[in-house]
Amino acid sequence: GAVVSQHPSRVICKSGTSVKIECRSLDFQATTMFWYRQFPKQSLMLMATSNEGSKATYEQGVEKDKFLINHASLTLSTLTVTSAHPEDSSFYICSAERGGIYNEQFFGPGTRLTVL
Amino acid sequence: DAKTTQPNSMESNEEEPVHLPCNHSTISGTDYIHWYRQLPSQGPEYVIHGLTSNVNNRMASLAIAEDRKSSTLILHRATLRDAAVYYCILITRTYKYIFGTGTRLKVLA
Repeated sequence: GAVVSQHPSRVICKSGTSVKIECRSLDFQATTMFWYRQFPKQSLMLMATSNEGSKATYEQGVEKDKFLINHASLTLSTLTVTSAHPEDSSFYICSAERGGIYNEQFFGPGTRLTVL
Repeated sequence: DAKTTQPNSMESNEEEPVHLPCNHSTISGTDYIHWYRQLPSQGPEYVIHGLTSNVNNRMASLAIAEDRKSSTLILHRATLRDAAVYYCILITRTYKYIFGTGTRLKVLA
């Protein structure tokens, strides 16, 4: 149990276009999902916290107008990278919080975004 | 947010035990200690967690210091598939995961 999927797993786009990444909790409901970004050889950096039915909370330095997050249901959150540029190329990982005593997070497999 | 400190890298021979240390001197009484590992081009995978007592599961053991300012992840018999980056994370009241640099484990055949 506690499986999180991401789609697509890999995407290549042209500079200036927008890209949507989906994160789904397959066998549990997640009121809270998180989006991370990871550059090569670096650690994961939290971008934002996504709460079902409300606005996302962004970490300091993350542009909310560039990284649009929508958490429309208890099993789906989407991250849209708007007007993507080469510097947005990265590995994007989502996680879903299952709840319980310590609210552990389960991570998706990640999405590799390459902006040309 | 509480921070963790881990060695950047470690090596182990296959079939031998591995002890991965983590320092978390600013841990508070309600923080849980979680360990995750990340294989190349994959999302992090849960390994083990604990609060005060040592913990064992099928993947590993977690030894927590009495003052809780450090912990050690123990892989009893390292295999080539255990080569990954291991992250020690403190789960705070905000439930945000703050990832440190992690330890890159290399397993030698």
